[in-house]
Amino acid sequence: DAKTTQPTSMDCAEGRAANLPCNHSTISGNEYVYWYRQIHSQGPQYIIHGLKNNETNEMASLIITEDRKSSTLILPHATLRDTAVYYCIVRASHNTNAGKSTFGDGTTLTVKP
Amino acid sequence: KAGVTQTPRYLIKTRGQQVTLSCSPISGHRSVSWYQQTPGQGLQFLFEYFSETQRNKGNFPGRFSGRQFSNSRSEMNVSTLELGDSALYLCASSLPHQSTDTQYFGPGTRLTVL
Repeated sequence: DAKTTQPTSMDCAEGRAANLPCNHSTISGNEYVYWYRQIHSQGPQYIIHGLKNNETNEMASLIITEDRKSSTLILPHATLRDTAVYYCIVRASHNTNAGKSTFGDGTTLTVKP
Repeated sequence: KAGVTQTPRYLIKTRGQQVTLSCSPISGHRSVSWYQQTPGQGLQFLFEYFSETQRNKGNFPGRFSGRQFSNSRSEMNVSTLELGDSALYLCASSLPHQSTDTQYFGPGTRLTVL
């Protein structure tokens, strides 16, 4: 699986958009970008994923660059409850390694009042 | 649909003992993966089971083992516990052969080894 690079920490004001970048310059053509978040001592929560098109769901938007070497997770209106560690991972699907995810250190997002 | 459940949620053991942790995947999911999370090493992949067979294995000693039952429920076992095995153990399930095999995580089992 490709390695990802994320900033160690970020701050965001409550009510503003939080934009979390992720670099995955060695991503392969069949690898998806996944985002999870983990609130202290809980299991990681799935947020969103994408292959090459931008994606949006009720939680967030995912913007993937055309060359797929980087992506940005956007939380449109951050709340205090969005304070968490956010992980960006890349993982192939439909193969025997699909059940193995490689997590980096993630980005600690702190939403401030 | 119920999420991934893990039991017990908290466990305290002493060095040298063994422990068994249980994971019930989301209904219909056939793949179960296990991860260890520690402050020093982060989230590390232990192994994955699919259709009762271990399909992937991480870089952990043989003291760590697992199995999966015909109903897709999975257990992991750690024998001869060491202090360094204190961690949050997470399992994740997925429905292979769908478009993206998204993994959904359980709440974890917090193991403390004294």
